[in-house]
Amino acid sequence: QSDLTQPPSASGTPGQTVTISCSGTSSNVERGTVHWYQQVPGTAPKLLIYGDHHRPSGVPDRFSGSKSGILASLAIGGLQSEDEATYFCAAWDDVLNVPVFGGGTNLAVL
Amino acid sequence: HLQLQESGPGLVKPSETLSLTCAVSGDSISGSTYYWGWIRQSPRKGLEWIGSFHSRGSNFYRPSLKSRATISLDTSRNQFSLRLTSLTAADTAVYYCAKMGQSTHWAPDQWGPGILVTVSS
Repeated sequence: QSDLTQPPSASGTPGQTVTISCSGTSSNVERGTVHWYQQVPGTAPKLLIYGDHHRPSGVPDRFSGSKSGILASLAIGGLQSEDEATYFCAAWDDVLNVPVFGGGTNLAVL
Repeated sequence: HLQLQESGPGLVKPSETLSLTCAVSGDSISGSTYYWGWIRQSPRKGLEWIGSFHSRGSNFYRPSLKSRATISLDTSRNQFSLRLTSLTAADTAVYYCAKMGQSTHWAPDQWGPGILVTVSS
């Protein structure tokens, strides 16, 4: 069981918008900043969103992050087949004194 | 263009010590303002941060691994290493070396491709 809770799966059709949730606690998501990673099978994770809603250079603006209280969200707009991957959220936990990760959400583009 | 590449054994026996190296190209570890570190991923535990270090000497380790893990720097070769002692099957995972993002010591923004390490007799 992961410290941050994500739905195990999500799906959408090309062009749709999909939102993936990440639920934590006051000691991690609410108090810290949330990062999102995309992982294609067999490859290393790639940073998509940092500091709750900032995009690194090269990440399309179809990807956006938000946070309210203990709940963070990743929205993927204009869904494309290449977006099929597993998405993880992460945040520092002030009580455990380690970063905590979500279990990952497998996104299928139907 | 920053690149990281892990190297080391793919199979290690229980109770033995794992030594992994991360070769860095495209940036100087000693002159960098960033943290560098290791993260592992297994089906059982998911993603797990092991530790990070800064060339100025500041280090952070996962509390549960602190007694077994050591991250060290080799500036002459522009690489850094992970040493993990007293291995058990629970240490079987894909190990990634990473550069951490600005203003954070734990969140990677660049990853190596990863190396699968299996602990088995």
